[in-house]
Amino acid sequence: GDSVTQMEGPVTLSEEAFLTINCTYTATGYPSLFWYVQYPGEGLQLLLKATKADDKGSNKGFEATYRKETTSFHLEKGSVQVSDSAVYFCALSDQTLGNYGQNFVFGPGTRLSVLP
Amino acid sequence: DAGVIQSPRHEVTEMGQEVTLRCKPISGHNSLFWYRQTMMRGLELLIYFNNNVPIDDSGMPEDRFSAKMPNASFSTLKIQPSEPRDSAVYFCASSRDWADYEQYFGPGTRLTVT
Repeated sequence: GDSVTQMEGPVTLSEEAFLTINCTYTATGYPSLFWYVQYPGEGLQLLLKATKADDKGSNKGFEATYRKETTSFHLEKGSVQVSDSAVYFCALSDQTLGNYGQNFVFGPGTRLSVLP
Repeated sequence: DAGVIQSPRHEVTEMGQEVTLRCKPISGHNSLFWYRQTMMRGLELLIYFNNNVPIDDSGMPEDRFSAKMPNASFSTLKIQPSEPRDSAVYFCASSRDWADYEQYFGPGTRLTVT
């Protein structure tokens, strides 16, 4: 079945450092890919998305490119801030017909801590 | 729109008691999802509905858990009887359609079973 793998955390960076959080996936169809962010005490929020190969999703300085050849969707940000401290989830939505049970799959999450 | 609304935000109960969690999805959204989040297991999809009909409940851990969606604007997740291992944060999310790529999450209900 479909699955998402993320780099294990926690990731601790200093403010203004470069961020990469790796994400790879397996899917039977042609999934859409997402990054969600969860701030302390809150629910998940969509950060960015890409719906087809080579698409780049971007939001709030974060970027991720849908790489079909490497089945990856790595999250990057050039200069992190303390306010970016959160848990980041990579996810996929596989819209293959009849695949109801695997429609939306989340990775385990990567906790990011940014120090001032 | 107020977003996905969950109640209560916090629930503390004793083992053996019945617990009911409530969710109001975003108006116009046809799909609703229940998740459980724990440190050990991460985010788990328990069940989801499309047009008020349960589509996949394979994630429901056991018969003590049940979920209903009597209408498009309300869903419940019930645990009876509750056990300490059910302690977790339970999230409800909704989307326009089961195949829609964007889910909107509620703030969650933190359940503690003593």
